[in-house]
This record gives sequence, C-alpha cells and structure tokens, in this order.
Amino acid sequence: EDQVTQSPEALRLQEGESSSLNCSYTVSGLRGLFWYRQDPGKGPEFLFTLYSAGEEKEKERLKATLTKKESFLHITAPKPEDSATYLCAVQEGGGSEKLVFGKGTKLTVNP
Amino acid sequence: SAVISQKPSRDICQRGTSLTIQCQVDSQVTMMFWYRQQPGQSLTLIATANQGSEATYESGFVIDKFPISRPNLTFSTLTVSNMSPEDSSIYLCSGRTGNTEAFFGQGTRLTVV
Repeated sequence: EDQVTQSPEALRLQEGESSSLNCSYTVSGLRGLFWYRQDPGKGPEFLFTLYSAGEEKEKERLKATLTKKESFLHITAPKPEDSATYLCAVQEGGGSEKLVFGKGTKLTVNP
Repeated sequence: SAVISQKPSRDICQRGTSLTIQCQVDSQVTMMFWYRQQPGQSLTLIATANQGSEATYESGFVIDKFPISRPNLTFSTLTVSNMSPEDSSIYLCSGRTGNTEAFFGQGTRLTVV
C-alpha cells in the first residue's frame, strides 16, 4: 500500500480558475510533509513544509494546509507559469531521515 | 537553501558499462540521498549516502549495482554498474540537514543503449 497518494494525477485549468491538489498519507508519527514543484528536465524545487495538523503556509498564489490524514495545495487564480508537476513527500516518525514521495499531480494552466 | 551541482547532466551509455554521477553541495549537509525517477513517475529512493561509512540501501537496490561514496559532508557519487536498458532513468541527488527541507540537484538523464 502506498504511503503517499496524490490526486488527481493530472489537472487542466484555465488561467484564473482556482483549484486544489490533494495528498493523503498513511505514515505514523508524521514528522513533516513537504510540497515540491518540478518542471520538466529539472530537479524538484522546494515549496512548503508542514509539521502539524492545522498548519497553513502561503506563497504567492499557493497555499498549503495539513490535517491528520491529508494535505491540500490550493492554487488561487493560477497563471500558465504555474504549470508543473507538484510532488508531495512525507517524513515518518521513528528516526528515519528519508522522504517518501507521492507520484505527483501534473498541473497544466491554459491561457 | 544550499545548491547542489550534479554532473553529468545527461549521458548515453553502452550496455554493460558503468557511469559515475557526482554531486557537490556548496555547504555541509548532514544527509545526502540518491533517487531514481523513471519517465512520468515520482522519485524512488535508492539509498542514503552516509559520510565515512557504507550507504544504506532501500529494498530492491544493492551495493554491487549502485555503489555509493561519500568521502565528506559536501560530496557524493553514485555509480550505476553493468548497465542495461532498464537502468535508463533520471538520477537525482538530494541534501538535507536535520528536519529542514531536502534540496535537489538538477538530475542526470541516463540512456542505456
């Protein structure tokens, strides 16, 4: 069973059409949930870290929220330059330092 | 955050040969990791590179196939040995200190022919 599940796999939006991406996780003792953006041919670029349920972080048109079972990445009034694959990763408890990644959501924003 | 320089950025290799990928971080980091990302897929952790000791490999990855070195806190190498077309993928290195975010190199796109 996947520890990190992202949905939808792909999302097409019109410029200005707000939406949300979902990341659900099943790890125990969550130590951190991370959102990344990945453009084609590049390494993932860090966006946010969330540590506890109820926490929210914002950056420009993006806002990340966290509950005990899932995280949402809200995109408000997206622009074509927001097109990318958005990856979610979790660090579980127990002393492990590694991150477990979901399969990502490929976002396309049409002008 | 720190910057990772990864090289080569891409390579085309003959089956049966080996390729060594290098990652240099511009500051000391506690942890370094190596990931594989197959086309259209997410990141799969290969191993954690431990400074001064043997790497810790994830299930399905073995040292003979993916030997890793980490001689100091800013540098690591991953070798893909005895390559086959199934090894064609993007390989990414990552650095992290404590519970902060992990940051990534630009990746090495490997094609085995």
